[in-house]
Amino acid sequence: AQTVTQSQPEMSVQEAETVTLSCTYDTSESDYYLFWYKQPPSRQMILVIRQEAYKQQNATENRFSVNFQKAAKSFSLKISDSQLGDAAMYFCAYRSARSGNQFYFGTGTSLTVIP
Amino acid sequence: KAGVTQTPRYLIKTRGQQVTLSCSPISGHRSVSWYQQTPGQGLQFLFEYFSETQRNKGNFPGRFSGRQFSNSRSEMNVSTLELGDSALYLCASSSDVNSGTEAFFGQGTRLTVV
Repeated sequence: AQTVTQSQPEMSVQEAETVTLSCTYDTSESDYYLFWYKQPPSRQMILVIRQEAYKQQNATENRFSVNFQKAAKSFSLKISDSQLGDAAMYFCAYRSARSGNQFYFGTGTSLTVIP
Repeated sequence: KAGVTQTPRYLIKTRGQQVTLSCSPISGHRSVSWYQQTPGQGLQFLFEYFSETQRNKGNFPGRFSGRQFSNSRSEMNVSTLELGDSALYLCASSSDVNSGTEAFFGQGTRLTVV
């Protein structure tokens, strides 16, 4: 079974600074997708960024970017110019290309943004 | 386009009772997945339905069941509730145009078993 590990239960960052959230995963598959989801206090999970495993280029979405290291099975999220609205729980998630819409989630990292 | 709608938002049930939760996916989405979120276990996959058929199932006891209707709306049922079933239940829908599509989540149903 696939496992996703987030080793940082809590992180904090000063407003306007940069923070990196770590994620590692374990799989024997070669074709899969990785995601970062954000869950604010409202509880609704919101997609932050997505990475296809077959793409070597790291995904970017405005202030959010990833460092995808396929061989190391690492998928970290970098948030630049942190804003107060970035404060939330962040989940790393794995989805096989062959198992429909079944996601495997990490345990989450709670991000605090300090004004 | 309306998002994923879960009802009810909050529910309090007594141990031993049963409960039914509802999820209406985004229009056009045929895949609906359910997850249980607890502080201790995190987010755990319950099951996925696609075109009224269960496509995947997580490692939960048979007390947890679900179904999907022809309009893609889904329900999950938990029978003989236990205190440990207290959790946030999240529903996610996907278009399944290809397997790389993201899942869109509802705001969840907070179930408390007393």
